[in-house]
Formats: sequence, structure tokens, C-alpha cells
Amino acid sequence: AQKVTQAQTEISVVEKEDVTLDCVYETRDTTYYLFWYKQPPSGELVFLIRRNSFDEQNEISGRYSWNFQKSTSSFNFTITASQVVDSAVYFCALSEERGTGKLIFGQGTTLQVKP
Amino acid sequence: DGGITQSPKYLFRKEGQNVTLSCEQNLNHDAMYWYRQDPGQGLRLIYYSQIVNDFQKGDIAEGYSVSREKKESFPLTVTSAQKNPTAFYLCASNGPPGDANYGYTFGSGTRLTVV
Repeated sequence: AQKVTQAQTEISVVEKEDVTLDCVYETRDTTYYLFWYKQPPSGELVFLIRRNSFDEQNEISGRYSWNFQKSTSSFNFTITASQVVDSAVYFCALSEERGTGKLIFGQGTTLQVKP
Repeated sequence: DGGITQSPKYLFRKEGQNVTLSCEQNLNHDAMYWYRQDPGQGLRLIYYSQIVNDFQKGDIAEGYSVSREKKESFPLTVTSAQKNPTAFYLCASNGPPGDANYGYTFGSGTRLTVV
């Protein structure tokens, strides 16, 4: 069965600190997609990144970076020099290419960045 | 601009009432999904549809019903059989996995409260 685990329920940092959000997944499929979403207080889910299972290259987008390691089934998300606007709930999710295409979400990590 | 529109943003339901949440997309996506989010929890799949006139139960379909008469529309009815309907409901759509822009688009959500 597919499963996504975000072990960190809440993280609190002070502005300008770096923070890493962990994501561990389980799947039997060889072709799958991993996602990160940001949910600000307004509730809408904002797409951050998609990574397919054949692409293990790390990615950097501004202050955001992602580390995908198939060997440990992890897809961790790092925010460098955090800002108050980064405060939100962050979800990691898994989708398999075949079948329903539905997203399996982790429980989410609430990040609070204090000024 | 293409996107997903959910309405209403807030909805209040009396005990024993059925209510319908609207979800409309203009992205020409075949697949549409309904998720439920409870406070402090991840998203759970209620129903999904991969093509017009066809839909499937998700993980928590009891007490809900859907229809998919048009590609653009995927309304969700919360029936009186749903014993604990107070939650945040998110609708999403997605293109085919092989699409270069594969990735879910979410609506802004409907917050349903039983009064």
C-alpha cells in the first residue's frame, strides 16, 4: 500500500534560520510522482514541486530546495533563510502513474517562522 | 486564466439537511477529485472521477454522493447520512500523468459547518 509519513507535526524557527521538512514514502510501484504543497491560512493548496521517480536530481528554486533519495524513500524539503511568509502547513504527497492517479497525502507539517 | 472554482466559500448546514458543494474547472482536465481535510490532519479522498459519467469511491465515501455529467463540473453532495460533515473540502483536477504539466490544481476550498 502507498503511504506518506511526515513525522514532524510542528516546527518553529526564528526568521533567517534554515529548516528542513522530512517526508518518507512507501510504494510498490516503480513509476510514481512526489509532490510538495504549501497551505497558507487561507486554505488553498499551492503547488511547489513535482518530481518523478526516475529523476533523482536535487532541485533548487530560490530559497527552496528538495532532496530526493530513492534509497531511503525520502523527499525532504529545505527552506533556506526562512521568512515569516513561509509560515504555513506543508504537505508531501505521492501519486502513482498507473491506476487512479489519486494523491496520497502525509499528515502535514505546520511551520511557524517567528520574526 | 485556467483554474478551479469552488463555491460557496463558507456553508452552514442544519442537522438532517443535504447540501451540495460546487466545483468547476476550465483546465480541460479529465480527472477530478474531492478531498476532505479535518483540523490538524492531512487530506483524505472522498470521490474521484477520471472521465465524464464515471466516478469511483475514495477512502471515505460514506455519506457523500457525486455526479459527473459534464467534464467541467464535479459537484459533491453531503447527505444527512454523513454524521460528522464539519470540515474543509477541497476539489482538485489533473491532466494525464504523461503530460509535461502533470500536477494537481486545487480549488480554494469550501468550509462546511453543521449548526
